[in-house]
Amino acid sequence: ILNVEQSPQSLHVQEGDSTNFTCSFPSSNFYALHWYRWETAKSPEALFVMTLNGDEKKKGRISATLNTKEGYSYLYIKGSQPEDSATYLCAFDYNAGNMLTFGGGTRLMVKP
Amino acid sequence: DADVTQTPRNRITKTGKRIMLECSQTKGHDRMYWYRQDPGLGLRLIYYSFDVKDINKGEISDGYSVSRQAQAKFSLSLESAIPNQTALYFCATSDPTGVGETQYFGPGTRLLVL
Repeated sequence: ILNVEQSPQSLHVQEGDSTNFTCSFPSSNFYALHWYRWETAKSPEALFVMTLNGDEKKKGRISATLNTKEGYSYLYIKGSQPEDSATYLCAFDYNAGNMLTFGGGTRLMVKP
Repeated sequence: DADVTQTPRNRITKTGKRIMLECSQTKGHDRMYWYRQDPGLGLRLIYYSFDVKDINKGEISDGYSVSRQAQAKFSLSLESAIPNQTALYFCATSDPTGVGETQYFGPGTRLLVL
C-alpha cells in the first residue's frame, strides 16, 4: 500500500487570502500526479495532471508545482473566494496503468 | 447530461442484505473503477476493469464483487452488507491516452448499512 499524504487535513481562510497545501508521495516509480477538486454533493473533477519533475500548471487562480525527486506537490490558490471551498485531492499514479492512490484530501473553507 | 451516472444516489439497507450499485457512462471509455470514500481516508480502490472481459481486485475488494456487463456499465455488489461498508461509493472511468490519464467520476452513491 502506497503512502500518499496531504496536509493540512482542513483549512479555514478568509476571502482574499492566498493559501497552499501539500501532497507527499513516494519518490520512486513515479508516473504522474493528479489533483482533483471535490465539492460536496458533486463529483470530483480533475484540476491538473503533472508528469515531469519541475512541472508547473495553472488554471485561473489555482496553480500547482511538482517535485518528483523529493516526492511532493504543492497546490496554491491566490485570492481565495467562497466558491473555492471544496476538498482538494491528490492522487499518485505509479503504475503507468492509471492506478491511482489518493491522499486523504485537504478540506478548504473560505469565509466571506 | 452527466457522462458518468450512478444509481441509486442514496441507499439505506440492513445488515445481511444483498445490494447492487450501478454505474453507466456515455464517454465511450474502456476503463472503469469503483472506489469507496471514508472521512479522512481519501478514495480507496475496490475493483477495476480495463475492458469488458477484464476484472481486477483493488486495495479493498473483500466483501464486494463486480460485473462488467458492457463497455458502458459496471456494477458493484455487496453480497451480504455489513455496517462497516457504510460509505460514499464512486464510480470512475478513464481512457488510455498515454501519459497521465484523467479519471472521470460519477456523483457518488451514499450507502448506509444498519
